[in-house]
Order: sequence, then C-alpha cells, then structure tokens
Amino acid sequence: ETGVTQSPTHLIKTRGQQVTLRCSSQSGHNTVSWYQQALGQGPQFIFQYYREEENGRGNFPPRFSGLQFPNYSSELNVNALELDDSALYLCASSLVAGIDQETQYFGPGTRLLVL
Amino acid sequence: QKEVEQNSGPLSVPEGAIASLNCTYSDRGSQSFFWYRQYSGKSPELIMFIYSNGDKEDGRFTAQLNKASQYVSLLIRDSQPSDSATYLCAVFMDTGRRALTFGSGTRLQVQP
Repeated sequence: ETGVTQSPTHLIKTRGQQVTLRCSSQSGHNTVSWYQQALGQGPQFIFQYYREEENGRGNFPPRFSGLQFPNYSSELNVNALELDDSALYLCASSLVAGIDQETQYFGPGTRLLVL
Repeated sequence: QKEVEQNSGPLSVPEGAIASLNCTYSDRGSQSFFWYRQYSGKSPELIMFIYSNGDKEDGRFTAQLNKASQYVSLLIRDSQPSDSATYLCAVFMDTGRRALTFGSGTRLQVQP
C-alpha cells in the first residue's frame, strides 16, 4: 500500500460525456502526476500538479484538464469522452525535493470504460 | 524509435532461476531509472530505482545501469511463481517535463 487513494475504482460512461476522477496523495507528498494506461501498454504521462499549478503536460488534448487542491489532492477531468479514452487512469504522488524527487508512487487506479 | 524499449515477452523461467529483464532508453541525458512491477488488473508497484552506473541490490532484486550504453536491467534471483507479472522500466528524462517515460513492459512467467 502506497497511501495514494483514487476514486472511483471503476466507471462506465458513454461517448461525449464528461468524467471526473479523484486522487489523494501520500502523506507528505506535494506533487501529483496523472497517467493513462491503455491495455498492453505502459503508462502515458498526462500532466503533473505542484502547488496547485500544472507543472508539465504530456501529449494529451485540452479536453484533459486537472486541478490540485491545497491539501495536495487532485482531480482529472475529461470532457467529450471518446472510445479511445477507455483505459486505466493512474495517479502518482511524489515529493519535489531532494534526491527522491522523481520517485513516484501509484494509487490503485480508476478503470474507465467508454461505450 | 521508442524512448524506452523493452521486450514484451513473455519471458518464461523455471522456479528458482534468475530472470533477466532488459530496457534501453533514447535520451542520453536521463538521470533516474525505475523498475515497477504490475500484476494483472493492478497498478504499478515500485521495486527499485537506480541513479548511478553499476549495480544496486535489494533482496532478490538487482538493478544494473550502464549510461554509456543507455541500458538498464533488472535481475530477479531465485524466481518465484509470485514474481509472475509485467515489469515496467521507467526513465526520468531531462526534457523539462517532470514525468516518467515508461516502456511497454516485459511479461514474466515463472513456471513452478
């Protein structure tokens, strides 16, 4: 157990809908990164939040957006869902300081199915 | 060329043998390297990380890094059926993006 929690665990949506996924970071961690993992692939970086601001973004369209709150928890929002958005969405927390700054610990993930 | 490459496997080894998992990366400036284990239907679990050239040992696991060859490997000694999983290599690249770049993973099967 990493101490990173995500909700919900599973979600079914239809094409065109919007979805919000939530993540609570590990105690003491101030940075949250979101990844998308399609079946049979490695996780792909979506974006990272540090001190409530976006701190880097991968090759994902603007309909993927996020928030970080003062308690370091975070949300991932996806608008206008497409079938290809079906994937495991992973949240990872880390501490942006010191030699361990890049070590990221993953939550259990949210499995999203878009029909 | 993919940024992080792994053989997808499956790599099949008998129980008690040494499993050797390999990974190459494209960014010569990469500084940090991670191995994660992922069981089917679960999220990645950190096994170990390595920053310096050479070997790093943690129990039955040894990570090896060769920056000149842009190569990182994971050795699992005394493999157990419970080690059967997908092993993901991840690299922290010096691109300004504070993110891990993952390979597609190698599926390991340990035969009892």
